[in-house]
Amino acid sequence: GQQVMQIPQYQHVQEGEDFTTYCNSSTTLSNIQWYKQRPGGHPVFLIQLVKSGEVKKQKRLTFQFGEAKKNSSLHITATQTTDVGTYFCAGRAPGAGSYQLTFGKGTKLSVIP
Amino acid sequence: GAVVSQHPSRVICKSGTSVKIECRSLDFQATTMFWYRQFPKQSLMLMATSNEGSKATYEQGVEKDKFLINHASLTLSTLTVTSAHPEDSSFYICSASGGSYEQYFGPGTRLTVT
Repeated sequence: GQQVMQIPQYQHVQEGEDFTTYCNSSTTLSNIQWYKQRPGGHPVFLIQLVKSGEVKKQKRLTFQFGEAKKNSSLHITATQTTDVGTYFCAGRAPGAGSYQLTFGKGTKLSVIP
Repeated sequence: GAVVSQHPSRVICKSGTSVKIECRSLDFQATTMFWYRQFPKQSLMLMATSNEGSKATYEQGVEKDKFLINHASLTLSTLTVTSAHPEDSSFYICSASGGSYEQYFGPGTRLTVT
């Protein structure tokens, strides 16, 4: 079955440093979504990428979808303490029904003030 | 934004008893609801997908008779853990989709089976 791998599992950064998490799928995806889960909270949708090579920005967050639509990355510039949480990528296989997603294991980000 | 609620937020039950968890979409109609399980420091594992008015589709390895899912209306889905055992202790999260690509997650239910 489809597998979505995410690295690193943990990342500790000083406030102001940049942060990147990478997501790789074993199969080509129709789209990929990113979610953020704060400690003790539930996942919150951040963005969806659909097109090959797509790049989207949300303030300090930059999301990329690979040309082959098998990998993606999330980059945060100049991290802040509010960025703390676990970032999950979730991919949807072509033809998957009901908007079904396969989640990566997540990258837990800690920001040291 | 779309709001999804879950009830209860925490439940402790004895081994052998059944527990029902409710998932409600408060301000939109959820044509599809998903049930996930999340172990500590782990990712979300999809258990089943349910569409309103039809039987749920279970992921491989998830026991249909143990995790009963009912999606009786466009705003309510329930997950019943039957004859719960300590290994069923986990964080159960539902999500709902109203036809767009976004999934809106509930706050989760922490189940502890003693």
